[in-house]
Amino acid sequence: AQSVTQPDIHITVSEGASLELRCNYSYGATPYLFWYVQSPGQGLQLLLKYFSGDTLVQGIKGFEAEFKRSQSSFNLRKPSVHWSDAAEYFCAVGGEDFGNEKLTFGTGTRLTIIP
Amino acid sequence: DAGVTQSPTHLIKTRGQHVTLRCSPISGHKSVSWYQQVLGQGPQFIFQYYEKEERGRGNFPDRFSARQFPNYSSELNVNALLLGDSALYLCASSSGTGDEKLFFGSGTQLSVL
Repeated sequence: AQSVTQPDIHITVSEGASLELRCNYSYGATPYLFWYVQSPGQGLQLLLKYFSGDTLVQGIKGFEAEFKRSQSSFNLRKPSVHWSDAAEYFCAVGGEDFGNEKLTFGTGTRLTIIP
Repeated sequence: DAGVTQSPTHLIKTRGQHVTLRCSPISGHKSVSWYQQVLGQGPQFIFQYYEKEERGRGNFPDRFSARQFPNYSSELNVNALLLGDSALYLCASSSGTGDEKLFFGSGTQLSVL
C-alpha cells in the first residue's frame, strides 16, 4: 500500500530565509508525486508534480522539489519565503492505476513565517 | 470560468442523521473525486467517479455512497452519521485522463453533534 510521511508537523521560518519541507513516500511502482498547499478555510492548490523525467521539478510561486528514488524522498524547497507562503503543505503520492485521481496524502506541515 | 463549487459550505447534523453534499466540477471536466479531511490530518480518498461510473473507492464504510449525474456534477451521501464523520469534505475535478491536475473546491465543513 502506498503511504506518505511528512516528519515535520510545524516549521517556523523567517521571511526571506530558505525553506525545505520533507516528504518520504512508500510505493511499489513508479510513483506520481505531488505537493499541495492549503490556506485556512480553503481547498488544495497544486504547487508541482512529478511523473517522470527530470528529477528536479519547478512549480508555481517559486517552489521546486527534487525526486530522489534512492531515498524515497520528494522534498519541497524555496530559496526565499514570503509572508504569504504561510499555509499548510501536503505531500501526496499517486500511481499508474489512478494517475493523479486517487492520492494518498501525508499529514501535512504547517508553515509559519516570522518577520 | 467558475472553479469547483461545493454546497453547502457548512453543515451541522446530529448523530444518526443523513447528509448529502454536492459538487459541481469545472466545465468540461468529467471526473469527480471526493476526499475527507479530518482536522489536523491530510485528505483521505473516498470515491472517484468518471463518466457516471465509480472508478475507485477508498477505505470507507458502506454508509458512504456517491453518484455522478449526466452533467458530471456529483453527490456524496453519508448515512447514520457518527461523531467521527465530522470533517472537511473536499471535491476535486479533472479531465479524467489520469495525467491532468486535480482542481479542488473549498469544501463542505460537516459538524456532527
